[in-house]
Amino acid sequence: NAGVTQTPKFRILKIGQSMTLQCAQDMNHNYMYWYRQDPGMGLKLIYYSVGAGITDKGEVPNGYNVSRSTTEDFPLRLELAAPSQTSVYFCASSDSSGPTDTQYFGPGTRLTVL
Amino acid sequence: AQSVTQLDSQVPVFEEAPVELRCNYSSSVSVYLFWYVQYPNQGLQLLLKYLSGSTLVKGINGFEAEFNKSQTSFHLRKPSVHISDTAEYFCAVRKGGTSYGKLTFGQGTILTVHP
Repeated sequence: NAGVTQTPKFRILKIGQSMTLQCAQDMNHNYMYWYRQDPGMGLKLIYYSVGAGITDKGEVPNGYNVSRSTTEDFPLRLELAAPSQTSVYFCASSDSSGPTDTQYFGPGTRLTVL
Repeated sequence: AQSVTQLDSQVPVFEEAPVELRCNYSSSVSVYLFWYVQYPNQGLQLLLKYLSGSTLVKGINGFEAEFNKSQTSFHLRKPSVHISDTAEYFCAVRKGGTSYGKLTFGQGTILTVHP
């Protein structure tokens, strides 16, 4: 199993450009999450999904959109990139939402907006 | 709402020395507690978790943590560290009974092990 994969690893965007961060998992997990990690700030939840076709906002959703058309994929869309979106983005998945569930993280996408 | 405070942003230590990474949380309801580790240029992986029962939890790579409800703490310890333990460590909390696995993370502690 590859686990959780993310592409690209690195990206530089200009202000106002848009892009999609890809996330895929091969563990047949229903739950998927997008986090951003800013230095000294820990991880903040952007969006999450409890299954194909079902998504909801997390703590910091502004400026982002998501979709979940399949169990495997959970892309994150940035429209009109801003310097405040410079961050490291992590995708994660879990088998359930129960207290014993473990979230498995991808390697991250490092995004810089100039 | 829950919050997590990791009391040290950086902890330098020599190889084979003991280490403690401190984590305090606040919540008005019961919580589940987690420690994750992030090695350089990698994603996070679970070290250990406290759900219920014994307050001393053992995890991977020789780490353990103790849940202290009265002090609302969940400190991570290792009696003898290795160079390979150099990483960033995150404490996280999840409200008991919450659906959708929402985790609240602390700010992270960078552990640097020197030879």
